[in-house]
Amino acid sequence: EVQLVQSGPEVKKPGESLKISCKASGYTFTYYWIAWVRQMPGRGLELVGIIYPPDSDTTYNPSFEGLVTISVDKFLNTAYLEWRSLQTSDTAIYYCARPLGTSWHSPQDKWGQGTLVTVSS
Amino acid sequence: EIVLTQSPGTLSLSPGERATLSCGASQTIHNDYIAWYQQRPGQAPRLLIYGVSSRAYGIPDRFTGSGSGTDFTLTISRLEPEDLAVYYCHQYYTSPWTFGPGTKVEV
Repeated sequence: EVQLVQSGPEVKKPGESLKISCKASGYTFTYYWIAWVRQMPGRGLELVGIIYPPDSDTTYNPSFEGLVTISVDKFLNTAYLEWRSLQTSDTAIYYCARPLGTSWHSPQDKWGQGTLVTVSS
Repeated sequence: EIVLTQSPGTLSLSPGERATLSCGASQTIHNDYIAWYQQRPGQAPRLLIYGVSSRAYGIPDRFTGSGSGTDFTLTISRLEPEDLAVYYCHQYYTSPWTFGPGTKVEV
């Protein structure tokens, strides 16, 4: 069974750093892209970026470029989303997701349970 | 960036009724790269439809997708109480992939 298990909720102060994780199992990790999606409180879905595990080729949504870093450890079958300096506007649920197929043009089919990140002074 | 709009914002219907949700794109979506997701309260999104009209694994045939170009529709026939959710359309044709703002279905 394909599973994406994300790290637990985080409460941080503005300016702090954070790295959340998404551990994949039940499939060959290097065959599929992994995406990160943001959902701010009471709002819709926004693609943060997407990474290809074999070579860490990453495409960011321009709205998030330079604000976050997406990475993978293909030996741990784990993807990461990282902030160097959090802002209160980063408060949201962050989902990792795996597409239906192995091609670039494929919708996200398997989703993690989400990680709630709260940034407050 | 392709902007997706959805209407109506909220749809209030009774069990057994038919729901019609619309999604419009700011540019033509080629190759049918449109999907629909269901997000129930407190849950992660769930893929319902991909390629405009293909149902994802395990999705009942009450859910039907259609459309082309810039106009797409999700139809839920015979609404059930468990269909209470927000429904998002999504384009994966052009980077950055984008989602519509969602339609909330109240049953």
